[in-house]
Amino acid sequence: QVQLQESAPGLVKPSQTLSLTCTVSGGSIRSGGYYWTWIRQHPGKGLEWIGYIYYSGSTYYNPSLKSRVTISVDTSKNQFSLRLSSVTAADTAVYYCARDRGYCSGASCYRGVDSWGQGTLVTVSS
Amino acid sequence: DIVMTQSPDSLAVSLGERATINCKSSQTVLSNSNNKSYLAWYQRKPGQPPELLIFWASTRESGVPDRFSGNGSGTDFTLTISSLQAEDVAVYYCQQYYSTPYTFGQGTKLEIK
Repeated sequence: QVQLQESAPGLVKPSQTLSLTCTVSGGSIRSGGYYWTWIRQHPGKGLEWIGYIYYSGSTYYNPSLKSRVTISVDTSKNQFSLRLSSVTAADTAVYYCARDRGYCSGASCYRGVDSWGQGTLVTVSS
Repeated sequence: DIVMTQSPDSLAVSLGERATINCKSSQTVLSNSNNKSYLAWYQRKPGQPPELLIFWASTRESGVPDRFSGNGSGTDFTLTISSLQAEDVAVYYCQQYYSTPYTFGQGTKLEIK
């Protein structure tokens, strides 16, 4: 059973860079067929998909955040990370790291985010 | 971006009764290549991260009770809980993974009447 755990920076000042790391246990981040994903939820709002990275390093970012987002992977530590630059109060949210499936086994194909971290609240405030 | 709209925003159902949540996408999420709708449903209980219930609009995730079912195709989808249990109190989200950026509905809060 794979488990994901976000690091916890807690408070970030406006204009600074938010940095989060997700540690994966119980499975290898090198496993093909999974997209290592960041999702956030603003207080009282819905879920927003930030982007993902494949173990090879290929990435996709939400265009609404693309100019400020970098997702990276460290396979030697079984971790992946999120950096969000020039943060404002609008970036205050609970940030989740997650595993999104995209593989087929035999005649069946599997999709959907099947594993999530517990989430970490990041507050942007001076 | 594909906009996902759920209805209702909140729902109160008696224990043992049926609960139905609707999800509509602003454009089709049905693939012509495999005839599958790229739609998932999640359950988020208080203080916990979301949990995958359904993918391909109607395929139950392993371990999900069979009282949960998903239906629909194209742009209109439903999640049905056939007989509501106390542990089903949660917020439910639909998500399309047809095209990036993947997007979620705003959520439907399900409570016990």
